[in-house]
Amino acid sequence: AQSVTQPDIHITVSEGASLELRCNYSYGATPYLFWYVQSPGQGLQLLLKYFSGDTLVQGIKGFEAEFKRSQSSFNLRKPSVHWSDAAEYFCAVGALRGWGKFQFGAGTQVVVTP
Amino acid sequence: DAMVIQNPRYQVTQFGKPVTLSCSQTLNHNVMYWYQQKSSQAPKLLFHYYDKDFNNEADTPDNFQSRRPNTSFCFLDIRSPGLGDAAMYLCATSTRTQQETQYFGPGTRLLVL
Repeated sequence: AQSVTQPDIHITVSEGASLELRCNYSYGATPYLFWYVQSPGQGLQLLLKYFSGDTLVQGIKGFEAEFKRSQSSFNLRKPSVHWSDAAEYFCAVGALRGWGKFQFGAGTQVVVTP
Repeated sequence: DAMVIQNPRYQVTQFGKPVTLSCSQTLNHNVMYWYQQKSSQAPKLLFHYYDKDFNNEADTPDNFQSRRPNTSFCFLDIRSPGLGDAAMYLCATSTRTQQETQYFGPGTRLLVL
């Protein structure tokens, strides 16, 4: 069975500083990996996804993520955070490309300080 | 703008009193999903529709039902809400060929008294 672990429940970062959110997955076959963001009072929005190919994936809002098979990780990064990046971030793993069923991680809450 | 709309944003109901949450979409997507998200937890898929074909997750309680009268609308019915059903309920849509890219509504927060 697939599973996703986000080790950091809560991260505080200063505006303008870099951000890295960790995601580790467990899945026997080729994983399909996603990062979603949930702003306060909003639904989830897809930031980026990885299916195959280049292991560094670019997403919206200046985010990128790197797939590392040897470490079973798919960490999300942003070089310089903005106050509007304060939100909850969910990593998810899917079993099949094009399939809508994911295993979500528990989420990481990001707080941005001035 | 094409979007996913959920009404109401906040719903208060009493223990055991049936409640219906609604979702509408202007994206004309074939697939609609309902998720339950409890406080500080990941969203959990309850069920989804491929057009009118209903697909229930194995661990979704029988207390939860859904209706999709047409492409645009989907309803979540909770027949006898318990205190444990208090949560955020998220509706999402996708095309059939790109189900990994889901468009979420803002959610309905349900409080059970």
